[in-house]
Amino acid sequence: DVKVTQSSRYLVKRTGEKVFLECVQDMDHENMFWYRQDPGLGLRLIYFSYDVKMKEKGDIPEGYSVSREKKERFSLILESASTNQTSMYLCASKGSTDTQYFGPGTRLTVL
Amino acid sequence: GDSVTQMEGPVTLSEEAFLTINCTYTATGYPSLFWYVQYPGEGLQLLLKATKADDKGSNKGFEATYRKETTSFHLEKGSVQVSDSAVYFCALRGGGSNYKLTFGKGTLLTVNP
Repeated sequence: DVKVTQSSRYLVKRTGEKVFLECVQDMDHENMFWYRQDPGLGLRLIYFSYDVKMKEKGDIPEGYSVSREKKERFSLILESASTNQTSMYLCASKGSTDTQYFGPGTRLTVL
Repeated sequence: GDSVTQMEGPVTLSEEAFLTINCTYTATGYPSLFWYVQYPGEGLQLLLKATKADDKGSNKGFEATYRKETTSFHLEKGSVQVSDSAVYFCALRGGGSNYKLTFGKGTLLTVNP
């Protein structure tokens, strides 16, 4: 069965901290994605990666960076967390079909 | 650019009622269209999809038909159950992209027994 896991379900950080969100997929998918989900705004794409070490900006990349050193792992980095980055973060992966498979999400609170 | 507009929620229905959630889109080229569902405390999962005009996607009693002339992909179910309570997202993959999905804002459905 397809599985996308995210390192934490809930995370609380302080303003200015560096934050790492990890995502791992076990399907050997080439493509991986980071979204944030906010009430009334739906899902917005932050970054995606179509291969190891390859990345492209999504719609809202400001304040974020990503890392993909291995095919199965895609990390989202908040260099200096701010309160407006409090959100639900969803990771997804996609192979050769059209279907994106999502992890359970990380609810990040920045105080 | 591509965009998806879906009906504002929340939607509250009684068990066995008929469900429609409207979705319209704007896209260049020939998009693929999707409905994703998010159950409480979980990530999104694909509910159904359609890849060309007049295709009908269906799954778990839900249906949606890709209507190019009205740029719509409305989700329907004849008889909802309490277990259908979730947030439903309409999404498209534009014809010019192999990767990017554009999502609507989501519609919260609550089904009461």
